[in-house]
Amino acid sequence: AQKITQTQPGMFVQEKEAVTLDCTYDTSDQSYGLFWYKQPSSGEMIFLIYQGSYDEQNATEGRYSLNFQKARKSANLVISASQLGDSAMYFCAMRGFSGGSNYKLTFGKGTLLTVNP
Amino acid sequence: DTGVSQDPRHKITKRGQNVTFRCDPISEHNRLYWYRQTLGQGPEFLTYFQNEAQLEKSRLLSDRFSAERPKGSFSTLEIQRTEQGDSAMYLCASSLEGTVYGYTFGSGTRLTVV
Repeated sequence: AQKITQTQPGMFVQEKEAVTLDCTYDTSDQSYGLFWYKQPSSGEMIFLIYQGSYDEQNATEGRYSLNFQKARKSANLVISASQLGDSAMYFCAMRGFSGGSNYKLTFGKGTLLTVNP
Repeated sequence: DTGVSQDPRHKITKRGQNVTFRCDPISEHNRLYWYRQTLGQGPEFLTYFQNEAQLEKSRLLSDRFSAERPKGSFSTLEIQRTEQGDSAMYLCASSLEGTVYGYTFGSGTRLTVV
């Protein structure tokens, strides 16, 4: 079984500044994947970035980077140069690859990011 | 391809009524998932199809819920005798077997039971 914990219900950041959204996880799987999704008020879940448990380098996708610390079981999302359009809910999720139900995503409760002008 | 489509986007129904939602996945994706998201929570897994076979149902899916995916194409999720606790966003996602992170979510159907 997997568990995702996001301890920040809400975060505020000034436009053009960087912000870190926290995510810790727990799993008994040796091989797993970590995801971050963005959910605007319209409801769709937009994939941002993925990190595999055996990836040696931290994942980066444009302004998004994932600070993966395997020993601490953390997978924090860093958004650089925040934009007003980044205001949304952000969800951390994971998928274990070892068990039979290795297709399911387990999500955290999310962090509401507000970017101020 | 226009992504994963869900219909309707919003549904308001009276308690006790039946509702049905539709999901059209990306055409080449053989895996389809339904998730439920209640207010203030992340999505929770409901059920999973590989082609037309429903391979897993969460214990969250009571007997009032049924899902189908005829011919491995679109899927429907039906809720019978709706209750106020069924009010949530119902999200559909699809992926291609063998891909690691290729999930694509739809925009969801927001159900309100009054």
